[in-house]
Amino acid sequence: QKEVEQDPGPLSVPEGAIVSLNCTYSNSAFQYFMWYRQYSRKGPELLMYTYSSGNKEDGRFTAQVDKSSKYISLFIRDSQPSDSATYLCAMTIDSWGKFQFGAGTQVVVTP
Amino acid sequence: DTGVSQDPRHKITKRGQNVTFRCDPISEHNRLYWYRQTLGQGPEFLTYFQNEAQLEKSRLLSDRFSAERPKGSFSTLEIQRTEQGDSAMYLCASSLGRWDYEQYFGPGTRLTVT
Repeated sequence: QKEVEQDPGPLSVPEGAIVSLNCTYSNSAFQYFMWYRQYSRKGPELLMYTYSSGNKEDGRFTAQVDKSSKYISLFIRDSQPSDSATYLCAMTIDSWGKFQFGAGTQVVVTP
Repeated sequence: DTGVSQDPRHKITKRGQNVTFRCDPISEHNRLYWYRQTLGQGPEFLTYFQNEAQLEKSRLLSDRFSAERPKGSFSTLEIQRTEQGDSAMYLCASSLGRWDYEQYFGPGTRLTVT
């Protein structure tokens, strides 16, 4: 069993809908949680990071962390076709940041 | 553009050949990471540097792989005697060091071993 599990998708939504993504993890020592967006054949782009349990909002993006359930989520409001990409969750135990990534969820936003 | 850069972007090589990739991190970042990503998977950690010191290597990094970061600036990743299983995207990331969880990735080098 992988330490970080993420639904591979693809997740197809109509433009303007809310995209809901999630990851579960098994290692309770994970302290920092990140979401990356990756377009095809490009490097991952950092979207959001969180440390504590709770919600964090940045524009159309909201990240949630529930450490008690070992569950993190990313919500994208008012989705656009340009949001079509693979979304990767990542987490780390150590302060120096050795990341453990999920496999990524492919999102397709249709006009 | 002051982001992380990688060169080359794509490398095709024959099995058994040696290849070398270069990564230039964001200039003020003192930590540099190498990851490998295969199709349909997330990046997997290979190794990382704090300035010029290589502090950890994953067991994924066999003896055929070597990484350097002379003078704590750019880094190189060399693969000797390439195998078809080495075909992947090799990603470099850098971070400031204080806020370690903010790693910024380069565009990657896609390696194809024929």
